[in-house]
Amino acid sequence: DAKTTQPNSMESNEEEPVHLPCNHSTISGTDYIHWYRQLPSQGPEYVIHGLTSNVNNRMASLAIAEDRKSSTLILHRATLRDAAVYYCILRDGTGFQKLVFGTGTRLLVSP
Amino acid sequence: GAVVSQHPSWVICKSGTSVKIECRSLDFQATTMFWYRQFPKQSLMLMATSNEGSKATYEQGVEKDKFLINHASLTLSTLTVTSAHPEDSSFYICSATRGGFAGNTIYFGEGSWLTVV
Repeated sequence: DAKTTQPNSMESNEEEPVHLPCNHSTISGTDYIHWYRQLPSQGPEYVIHGLTSNVNNRMASLAIAEDRKSSTLILHRATLRDAAVYYCILRDGTGFQKLVFGTGTRLLVSP
Repeated sequence: GAVVSQHPSWVICKSGTSVKIECRSLDFQATTMFWYRQFPKQSLMLMATSNEGSKATYEQGVEKDKFLINHASLTLSTLTVTSAHPEDSSFYICSATRGGFAGNTIYFGEGSWLTVV
């Protein structure tokens, strides 16, 4: 499984934008980049995913580098409810297409 | 978004007994379901992948005779922890997808806490 590297933790203030980085230098051409987040004692929640182009949805934006070796999850205005562990995961476009979680980034949001 | 539901949310069982956890996709047909376990302050660890109507594929190091997975229909998968021991106490999470395409979203259940006493 292609691996991702994320900072262990990041801090933000409420209502400020947050940029969560992810490095995936060994990404293959068929790997999709998925982002999930997990609040304490809950199952992970889907945030966004993409392949090559930048993506936007109501929760966040995903900026993918041109060489696809890194990506950034952008929360445009952080709220206290965005405090969670964010996981950047590569999902193989072939085979069983499973999601293998790394250690993620713990985002702390201060009021 | 799609909903995946797990039952029970928490369960306490005696050592040596078996316990079953259900995972249902409520508003879509899940051709593929995944089972994870998570210990406190750790990330999710994939246990197995199950495709409807076929045997589950277990990750290396996961005992298939201890963690029985059944995916008999497109909306239901079950995980049975057999002869449970205290070290099996953990947070078990299932996920489901329509499958077949890596760009498809995978939806997660709320998780099930298992405590073995």
